Amino acid sequence: ETGVTQSPTHLIKTRGQQVTLRCSSQSGHNTVSWYQQALGQGPQFIFQYYREEENGRGNFPPRFSGLQFPNYSSELNVNALELDDSALYLCASSLPGIGYGYTFGSGTRLTVV
Amino acid sequence: GDSVTQMEGPVTLSEEAFLTINCTYTATGYPSLFWYVQYPGEGLQLLLKATKADDKGSNKGFEATYRKETTSFHLEKGSVQVSDSAVYFCALSEDRDDKIIFGKGTRLHILP
Repeated sequence: ETGVTQSPTHLIKTRGQQVTLRCSSQSGHNTVSWYQQALGQGPQFIFQYYREEENGRGNFPPRFSGLQFPNYSSELNVNALELDDSALYLCASSLPGIGYGYTFGSGTRLTVV
Repeated sequence: GDSVTQMEGPVTLSEEAFLTINCTYTATGYPSLFWYVQYPGEGLQLLLKATKADDKGSNKGFEATYRKETTSFHLEKGSVQVSDSAVYFCALSEDRDDKIIFGKGTRLHILP
């Protein structure tokens, strides 16, 4: 059974550019969430997808958008990158059912210069 | 809104010492509570969880008890090892399909 995999592992972008981060959820997981973890901070919820529909969103601007595909993999897109977008972006998936924690990927480290 | 507060780090202990990392929460409903661990260069791993009051979560010698009366979920381990060095996050979720709210994390250093 594979876990959650994210790509790329590291990325450097210039301010104003656009970026797409990818996530393959663990087998059987139909819910995918994205989190932003700034250096020295706890992860902050960006949004969640359940069966290809957005199912909740945190306090992030519309330039943060996402997709979930029929195989439950997901993308996070960020437009008009700002320096403060530099962070570790974590994808998490979960099993159907009550009381499960999420399985996290190792993250994509994004640096905006 | 919901929030999690955990003790500031870093926490430095000698091997075989007793560990406590304090965590308190604020929630409108009856959340599930979690401890996650993040080893250097890695993502988060679920360490343990508790879904209702008085539940005790345990894993790898770590344990935490869901205390509704004090809104706390303190992490404890009787004898820490160098391999326990990591960042520990206390977290809550109001609903399985809802977002997870994390504390800021506590960095733990264990000296041999």
